Amino acid sequence: EIVLTQSPGTLSLSPGERAILSCRASQTVTSSYLAWYQQIPGQAPRLLIYAATNRATGIPDRFSGSGSGTDFTLTISRLEPEDFAVYYCQQYGGSPLTFGQGTKVEIK
Amino acid sequence: EVQLVESGGGLVQPGRSLRLSCAASGFIFDDYAMHWVRQRPGKGLEWVSGITWNSGGIGYADSVKGRFTISRDNARNSLYLQMNSLRPEDTAFYYCAKDSWRDYYFYMDVWGKGTTVTVSS
Repeated sequence: EIVLTQSPGTLSLSPGERAILSCRASQTVTSSYLAWYQQIPGQAPRLLIYAATNRATGIPDRFSGSGSGTDFTLTISRLEPEDFAVYYCQQYGGSPLTFGQGTKVEIK
Repeated sequence: EVQLVESGGGLVQPGRSLRLSCAASGFIFDDYAMHWVRQRPGKGLEWVSGITWNSGGIGYADSVKGRFTISRDNARNSLYLQMNSLRPEDTAFYYCAKDSWRDYYFYMDVWGKGTTVTVSS
């Protein structure tokens, strides 16, 4: 099983600032099969990024993904009020599918 | 509009059973694999089970293997999760999610709003 470790656990930032979230895998993620999701409290997760770098339909371009191998990053270039949420990475290069434990982006 | 609506959650005693359903609409259901993902109170996301478009590929998390059974009815555009021998640690919010592909488990591009399962005496 591929274990995903996200850091930091909590990120305290102000609107307009840049957020950089990390997701590290315990082994190489095949073909960069890594996705990122956003979950606002009380709501279902929403797909942001797939295949490490591809934005899902309707996702603003302030969200970007990068990385390969075992190290992946989600960057939010300028935080909007609606971006304060919990973010999860998920790998689909190995079985079973696994998620990271999440990074909470909170208002400073 | 692409939509997934879960139902069947509730309060159940340990050792008993529960069946979750997920009604899909707005897309060609039998073109995609489907999943159940759960979220324990205050915790992160956990993949529970997945099923390919024709039920030819089925997988389970170790935590539910042998107790839960996933199935689908493509004629009814529906996904199911039969949960037997329920334990308190199965208490969670259960999401139905659509995969982006049909033959493999990839990423989930559509999620339902979820249904709550509480296992307690």
